[in-house]
Amino acid sequence: NAGVTQTPKFRVLKTGQSMTLLCAQDMNHEYMYWYRQDPGMGLRLIHYSVGEGTTAKGEVPDGYNVSRLKKQNFLLGLESAAPSQTSVYFCASSPTGLSNYGYTFGSGTRLTVV
Amino acid sequence: GQQLNQSPQSMFIQEGEDVSMNCTSSSIFNTWLWYKQDPGEGPVLLIALYKAGELTSNGRLTAQFGITRKDSFLNISASIPSDVGIYFCAGPLYNTDKLIFGTGTRLHVFP
Repeated sequence: NAGVTQTPKFRVLKTGQSMTLLCAQDMNHEYMYWYRQDPGMGLRLIHYSVGEGTTAKGEVPDGYNVSRLKKQNFLLGLESAAPSQTSVYFCASSPTGLSNYGYTFGSGTRLTVV
Repeated sequence: GQQLNQSPQSMFIQEGEDVSMNCTSSSIFNTWLWYKQDPGEGPVLLIALYKAGELTSNGRLTAQFGITRKDSFLNISASIPSDVGIYFCAGPLYNTDKLIFGTGTRLHVFP
């Protein structure tokens, strides 16, 4: 049982390049989330999804797009990368929206934009 | 908006010492969660608290849900090297089912 798997683990982009981060979960969870982690700022929610075919904005959505075409996958896209998007990105999932029970996180993607 | 502030930001302790950290908010929370992030990994849930005044333990870890519902505390007894990492508090954003996270406390343990 892999849980939440993120690919790639590391990536270096040039300013203006685009890329897609993939998150896959095998727990049949309905809800999925993308967070970014920056030093001293904790984890901030970028976008989330409450089920297949749905997406919604989080706290810091600008510069990112997401898609949830399949229940098990949640993709995070950067259309034109900027240095301010240098961060560690975490995907998480939960069985329902009752966040009382916490989320299961992936191991992260470290992105550097030069 | 709602924010969670954690203190201290970082701690340097010797193996065997006890550790205390806290998380505060200007808003009331109905649930407090504590996560630990090992270096190079994603956060993992340690303890969940659901009621004001609740005290819950998980091995050497003990967490408390503050009476005012605006704070929570995490204690680690007899620290060991594998306790190294970042500890986050988290709680559901008001009237939503989305979690917000604190700024984290980075723990360093020296043998």
